Amino acid sequence: DTAVSQTPKYLVTQMGNDKSIKCEQNLGHDTMYWYKQDSKKFLKIMFSYNNKELIINETVPNRFSPKSPDKAHLNLHINSLELGDSAVYFCASSQDLSGTGFGGNTIYFGEGSWLTVV
Amino acid sequence: AQTVTQSQPEMSVQEAETVTLSCTYDTSESDYYLFWYKQPPSRQMILVIRQEAYKQQNATENRFSVNFQKAAKSFSLKISDSQLGDAAMYFCAYRSVTQGGSEKLVFGKGTKLTVNP
Repeated sequence: DTAVSQTPKYLVTQMGNDKSIKCEQNLGHDTMYWYKQDSKKFLKIMFSYNNKELIINETVPNRFSPKSPDKAHLNLHINSLELGDSAVYFCASSQDLSGTGFGGNTIYFGEGSWLTVV
Repeated sequence: AQTVTQSQPEMSVQEAETVTLSCTYDTSESDYYLFWYKQPPSRQMILVIRQEAYKQQNATENRFSVNFQKAAKSFSLKISDSQLGDAAMYFCAYRSVTQGGSEKLVFGKGTKLTVNP
């Protein structure tokens, strides 16, 4: 069973369109994230949610809107797509614990969604 | 703000040999986590190894081990008996001790490892 799964894996769309990427985790984690990897392979966080509450909101255009219907799901909706939005988008999750424990505070990633805007 | 530096954009190793990937970081915190992630051409991000800063013992996972030097803020990854499947981009990452998702992973720019047969 895939721990963090996101769909679609590949998405090619035209400028100006609106698209969504869905993410689900079956790890029982409380926190989920969206990361973006650009063409130079640099990874940067976009958003984090903890128990459906927005925690981190980096400087991201407001065309990007995350939605978390429950703590196991975090979707990313993108309006008015631009060429510069082409990237790989990673969903991830973690269970952040006070104290330490194996696996705690480790962020686990999905397989990525390759978005190409033409 | 924390930063992570990987000074080797590319490295290569012969199959069955050992290679070490370098990583340094900058922080004023005393407790934190460090990670190495592997990204093969499929672009999946795979956790390789994790180190808790309060632990002096270096983490190991089969053929992968780290050399964690807290005072020097260095966290290198050693891959022993390199295999063709080890070829990938390797990212070093830092994370503060946190609750509730308030701290992000800070990534280095990556090192591309090539394994030659």
